[in-house]
Amino acid sequence: QKEVEQDPGPLSVPEGAIVSLNCTYSNSAFQYFMWYRQYSRKGPELLMYTYSSGNKEDGRFTAQVDKSSKYISLFIRDSQPSDSATYLCAMSATGGYNKLIFGAGTRLAVHP
Amino acid sequence: DAGVIQSPRHEVTEMGQEVTLRCKPISGHDYLFWYRQTMMRGLELLIYFNNNVPIDDSGMPEDRFSAKMPNASFSTLKIQPSEPRDSAVYFCASSLTRREVNREQFFGPGTRLTVL
Repeated sequence: QKEVEQDPGPLSVPEGAIVSLNCTYSNSAFQYFMWYRQYSRKGPELLMYTYSSGNKEDGRFTAQVDKSSKYISLFIRDSQPSDSATYLCAMSATGGYNKLIFGAGTRLAVHP
Repeated sequence: DAGVIQSPRHEVTEMGQEVTLRCKPISGHDYLFWYRQTMMRGLELLIYFNNNVPIDDSGMPEDRFSAKMPNASFSTLKIQPSEPRDSAVYFCASSLTRREVNREQFFGPGTRLTVL
């Protein structure tokens, strides 16, 4: 079993839809939770970051962490064609500098 | 800031040849990471350095892979001899200890390697 599980999709939605992307994990030591966005033929770039539990909102994006269920989510409101990309969740434990463990990535296509 | 720079952007080689991938991290960053991305396996960490010293190379798949960081502004990932299954996109990323609070890594554009 992988430490981080993420449905690879693809996910296809119409413009304006609310998108929900999710990851589950097995390592209870994870405290740092991130979402990276990767456009085609580009490197991943950090989109959202959350430490420990709770929600974080940034414009149309909301990240949620439920540590009791070992489940994290990224919501995109009013999705736009420019949101079409692969979204990777990433996690890291606390204490020293630990490597990021990435999910497989979910491919999202937003159609006009 | 130019961001993380990788070269070459594309590499096509024949099985058995030596391949060298290059990376220049963001100036002042003290962590450097090498990743490999494939459709089947996703993004895998191969090795990472702190202050030019290799910290964790447990992701390096075989002895055919080696990485060096001779100074703070340059790193190489070498595959010798290359095999078709090494075909992937190789990313270099860098990070700064002061940003440890959010663990953000800055990725380069990647090198797309094809081994025939």
